[in-house]
Amino acid sequence: ETVMTQSPATLSVSPGERATLSCRASQSVSSNLAWYQQKPGRAPRLLIYGASTRATGIPARFSGSGSGTEFTLTISSLQSEDFAVYFCQQYNNWPLTFGGGTRVEIK
Amino acid sequence: QVQLQESGPGLVKPSQTLSLTCTVSGASINSGSYYWSWIRQHPGKGLEWIGYIYYSGTTYYNPSLKSRIAISVDTSKKQFSLKLGSVTAADTAVYYCARGTTLTPLPSFDSWGQGTLVTVSS
Repeated sequence: ETVMTQSPATLSVSPGERATLSCRASQSVSSNLAWYQQKPGRAPRLLIYGASTRATGIPARFSGSGSGTEFTLTISSLQSEDFAVYFCQQYNNWPLTFGGGTRVEIK
Repeated sequence: QVQLQESGPGLVKPSQTLSLTCTVSGASINSGSYYWSWIRQHPGKGLEWIGYIYYSGTTYYNPSLKSRIAISVDTSKKQFSLKLGSVTAADTAVYYCARGTTLTPLPSFDSWGQGTLVTVSS
């Protein structure tokens, strides 16, 4: 199966700063990569699909890039509501797999 | 706007079968545009895809769980269901139902239920 590795595990960022999250796949997933945001006690919310396309209603400060095995989620200017855990998911290879998550916390 | 809601027992005894149902509102479960999926999250951990079903009844299961899983759909009730057999404490998790798009051969998930915690304990 395709192993998704996210780094760092925890990212400490001040409000208003940029956050850069990484996701690496153990084999190519083309551009079939999604990012989700999860807040405590809540279900994940789709942010990005196709590696770089924002889902409906997602603010422009969220952007995704990459293809193949290396992907990045960038939050350009962190707002208070952005402190959460972020997961990547590949949907190119069988079976579907998720990364272990990056927690974005207030510095 | 689509809404998904999980229901089922919150406590299951070891070796028994976990049974959950997801009720879909605000969207047609008969749509060929979606897969209807189950995903779980162990406490404090990441996400694990369990399996999904197409409205026709075609199913796709995670090979790691395939021998214990059955997913079914009842289009008349706008529901799909999960059965996971021979459960152990390792199956304790929050179980989510989710909608996956068929725009690509395999799906990402654009709508999720709120999740339901299932604890396996005697």
